[in-house]
Amino acid sequence: ETGVTQTPRHLVMGMTNKKSLKCEQHLGHNAMYWYKQSAKKPLELMFVYNFKEQTENNSVPSRFSPECPNSSHLFLHLHTLQPEDSALYLCASSQDFTGGLYNEQFFGPGTRLTVL
Amino acid sequence: AQRVTQPEKLLSVFKGAPVELKCNYSYSGSPELFWYVQYSRQRLQLLLRHISRESIKGFTADLNKGETSFHLKKPFAQEEDSAMYYCALGDRGSTLGRLYFGRGTQLTVWP
Repeated sequence: ETGVTQTPRHLVMGMTNKKSLKCEQHLGHNAMYWYKQSAKKPLELMFVYNFKEQTENNSVPSRFSPECPNSSHLFLHLHTLQPEDSALYLCASSQDFTGGLYNEQFFGPGTRLTVL
Repeated sequence: AQRVTQPEKLLSVFKGAPVELKCNYSYSGSPELFWYVQYSRQRLQLLLRHISRESIKGFTADLNKGETSFHLKKPFAQEEDSAMYYCALGDRGSTLGRLYFGRGTQLTVWP
């Protein structure tokens, strides 16, 4: 499959569960991103990885834990989430980020997360 | 502080009418502005960026630094333009690749 894929597409979990979201990109990119899209707020950047190194943590609670084992894969580990964490979680990738130069970000379809 | 403002959550026009989706930003440095679009049941994708100065699908957007605006325009809207449109701002002074998104405007083009 080409582009950016995300699994699962839908996830329902309880507050005490531990789950992981997976993102994979087949574009040869070096930068990957996690975004949160909820009904009441604009699209929010959560984490940025550039060449497998985390370059941004946008004050995200520790119950969200990202992992980037290589430039093609990005995970978001979830534990003890709250109902307000229910949202669409989007993964994106871009060629890379060299200060001051923006490359197009390619988005995945998202994972719809519901926390009960 | 919100850096990107899209004042209209919903916008409806008839086919063939001009359409303008508004975007205002606040940023003190040298911004890079984008429009992303999400069609029904499709993923978010880049529509255009100000540095390209190109027209995509009949849409254009001009960066007005004096008014800190980057409005998206099309002279004759088509039904297939119905989608969610997001304005986004990139921080050229950043080494992090961060993009700030507006809340989005849902455009509906009626036949």
